[in-house]
Amino acid sequence: GESVGLHLPTLSVQEGDNSSINCAYSNSASDYFIWYKQESGKGPQFIIDIRSNMDKRQGQRVTVLLNKTVKHLSLQIAATQPGDSAVYFCAENRVGGQNFVFGPGTRLSVLP
Amino acid sequence: EPEVTQTPSHQVTQMGQEVILRCVPISNHLYFYWYRQILGQKVEFLVSFYNNEISEKSEIFDDQFSVERPDGSNFTLKIRSTKLEDSAMYFCASSVNWGGEAFFGQGTRLTVV
Repeated sequence: GESVGLHLPTLSVQEGDNSSINCAYSNSASDYFIWYKQESGKGPQFIIDIRSNMDKRQGQRVTVLLNKTVKHLSLQIAATQPGDSAVYFCAENRVGGQNFVFGPGTRLSVLP
Repeated sequence: EPEVTQTPSHQVTQMGQEVILRCVPISNHLYFYWYRQILGQKVEFLVSFYNNEISEKSEIFDDQFSVERPDGSNFTLKIRSTKLEDSAMYFCASSVNWGGEAFFGQGTRLTVV
């Protein structure tokens, strides 16, 4: 049968390697960004956030980089583990806004 | 750890029927949201709610949709007359601050037949 919906970009990495997931955001007025992880059948789970007055923020095994010049956001995962396999979404929130605009998502597959 | 809870986890309804999706946001949160995700697609904003009124809504949130906070804990999304294209995962979320980090529930899968 015909498939519907977006075919997500997929990133496959070996267990233990570092991963880098990229996102281009649309609104230059956005000032707050979040990376969410979504496992199959579950809701988006907060990973890390960053405000527009920063260009880098680090968490546990994760780093978010923000390049406002080219409106680009990236999520770096160190020493990727099987439990990191999921779809990752970036989400942007414009100044004064209450809702997040989600990107299309990237599927991360961790190979043993 | 506090979490957003949604019921039911899966709802099947006939086209034209009304459905109510229920959510219990995190107790000290003030801002509430509904998002939806059609299978295999990205998460889309529907509506935000604060101080007992809608503060923002998207083009998707037409007259068939309504939200309510009937008591101090529940936050509901009603679809008056469901259409096939309403089939999706519906996520409730809540946040403490305006535009701040939103915590999502596990979602309700709505299937319209």
